[in-house]
Amino acid sequence: GQNIDQPTEMTATEGAIVQINCTYQTSGFNGLFWYQQHAGEAPTFLSYNVLDGLEEKGRFSSFLSRSKGYSYLLLKELQMKDSASYLCAVRDSNYQLIWGAGTKLIIKP
Amino acid sequence: NAGVTQTPKFRVLKTGQSMTLLCAQDMNHEYMYWYRQDPGMGLRLIHYSVGEGTTAKGEVPDGYNVSRLKKQNFLLGLESAAPSQTSVYFCASSPPPGGETQYFGPGTRLLVL
Repeated sequence: GQNIDQPTEMTATEGAIVQINCTYQTSGFNGLFWYQQHAGEAPTFLSYNVLDGLEEKGRFSSFLSRSKGYSYLLLKELQMKDSASYLCAVRDSNYQLIWGAGTKLIIKP
Repeated sequence: NAGVTQTPKFRVLKTGQSMTLLCAQDMNHEYMYWYRQDPGMGLRLIHYSVGEGTTAKGEVPDGYNVSRLKKQNFLLGLESAAPSQTSVYFCASSPPPGGETQYFGPGTRLLVL
């Protein structure tokens, strides 16, 4: 079966760095996405990886290792507004997105 | 430019009632999707459409029907609501799959009593 695993909840301090991991087992691979979802709102796109390596976008970076079925999202200089759930999704061989349950990130002052 | 909009935002139904959720997008996207999101679970695809007049089943299609009569609209119907369909429903749209992401509507909260 297809499976995406990510931690349920993480806590970090304002101004610090946090890494959210995602491991996946899917039927085929056509890219990995990270989305941010604030409570009661829709998911919004953060990053996309299709090749191995690091993609950097401002305070956010995303890493992919296809051989290990592994990705992480790195958030630097954390701000209170970064408190949200972070969703990992893999596009499978049918070009459908398979979603993880999300990681709730709590930022403390 | 409104992006993806959903109607209604919130609805309470009694078991056995029917309703239709409307999704509209103004980005001229070919692909549209209906997901449900439940606590502790990832988004699950209900139905999707790759173009006007076409629909296909996703991971959890039972109890739902869809129609895509116009490119900009994607309707999700519940013919006989059940408590298990209590959820948050998200519509999304995208160009044909490539590097493009999916764009989500604000969601519809549905409570079935």
